[in-house]
Amino acid sequence: EAEVAQSPRYKITEKSQAVAFWCDPISGHATLYWYRQILGQGPELLVQFQDESVVDDSQLPKDRFSAERLKGVDSTLKIQPAELGDSAMYLCASSPVSYEQYFGPGTRLTVT
Amino acid sequence: GNSVTQMEGPVTLSEEAFLTINCTYTATGYPSLFWYVQYPGEGLQLLLKATKADDKGSNKGFEATYRKETTSFHLEKGSVQVSDSAVYFCALSADFNKFYFGSGTKLNVKP
Repeated sequence: EAEVAQSPRYKITEKSQAVAFWCDPISGHATLYWYRQILGQGPELLVQFQDESVVDDSQLPKDRFSAERLKGVDSTLKIQPAELGDSAMYLCASSPVSYEQYFGPGTRLTVT
Repeated sequence: GNSVTQMEGPVTLSEEAFLTINCTYTATGYPSLFWYVQYPGEGLQLLLKATKADDKGSNKGFEATYRKETTSFHLEKGSVQVSDSAVYFCALSADFNKFYFGSGTKLNVKP
């Protein structure tokens, strides 16, 4: 069964450093999402792509976060510089044309 | 706007007990509704879905019925197992594949 891949699974970084996460969606899924999930809360949408175009990045802190999906396939989310409050689980999900969303295992980020 | 409200946890049950986790929603238009489950340290897994009013989604003994008149999508299971211990998220999809999640309900099942 096809799955959404994410790497790394865990990342520890010091504040003010740069960090990047990678996501490879299920083949053929045009829509890709990045979410941030703080412990004990539901996922919060950071950015949504349709193919290589950004559909929604209204909740992305653009002063420090950036996301790209250059060829409409895999995607990278970057934080620079990282802050203590960025410690969270970063989830990638993809969706076909129908209304279903499939999540990857997530990247647990700890900023020290 | 679109939003999901679900009951706060944790919910603690004994094995074989009946489970209900309440979920209500606010939406413009005609959303699809979902339940996701998250085990510790993992991503979310789709548990079940319903795409129109009166649809019943079911999977692994869990069920939920899309009730438009009460704007609800409550999750039920007749007999829970220890392995069902996890966090459950209610979600809706609207506005061209945009998803809205509840805050999650943690379920603890004791042997």
